[in-house]
Amino acid sequence: AQTVTQSQPEMSVQEAETVTLSCTYDTSESNYYLFWYKQPPSRQMILVIRQEAYKQQNATENRFSVNFQKAAKSFSLKISDSQLGDTAMYFCAFTFPGGGADGLTFGKGTHLIIQP
Amino acid sequence: GAVVSQHPSWVICKSGTSVKIECRSLDFQATTMFWYRQFPKQSLMLMATSNEGSKATYEQGVEKDKFLINHASLTLSTLTVTSAHPEDSSFYICSASFYAARTDTQYFGPGTRLTVL
Repeated sequence: AQTVTQSQPEMSVQEAETVTLSCTYDTSESNYYLFWYKQPPSRQMILVIRQEAYKQQNATENRFSVNFQKAAKSFSLKISDSQLGDTAMYFCAFTFPGGGADGLTFGKGTHLIIQP
Repeated sequence: GAVVSQHPSWVICKSGTSVKIECRSLDFQATTMFWYRQFPKQSLMLMATSNEGSKATYEQGVEKDKFLINHASLTLSTLTVTSAHPEDSSFYICSASFYAARTDTQYFGPGTRLTVL
């Protein structure tokens, strides 16, 4: 079974700084998908970014980018120019490519606090 | 697009009663719907996966007779917690995906907070 590990329970940075959240995973498969989801205090899960394992190019979405190291099984999220609204729980997640038929395996999450 | 709703958002019930939670995909047809459970300050744990018109697949350790899942249409899945007990109190979140998108992305509902007294 696959596992997802987030080793930083909580992080705090100043507004406008850059922050990197770590995620490692374990799987014997070569093809899979990785995600970062954000859960603000409202508890609504919001997709931040998605990476397909067969793509070497790192995914980016505006201020959010990932550093995907397949050999090291590492998938970190970088948030540039952090904003107060980025304060939330961030979950790294894994699934197999099955046309959306497989559930997500989540890490324990990192609580990110952006200080004004 | 890809909006998922849940109803109710918050429910309180007495021990021994049953509670039904609805999950709807509002602007797409959900090939697969998922139910997750989240305890306070913890991560999401997959409970079950359901496809329209077929029986749900439950994760190991999840009692299928206690957590009844029905996926009657491509836009609606329901989770019924039967004979609820205080230990069933939790935050239940559904998500949905659609095969045609070929992205394996799940779209989440806002969640339902269940409190069993």
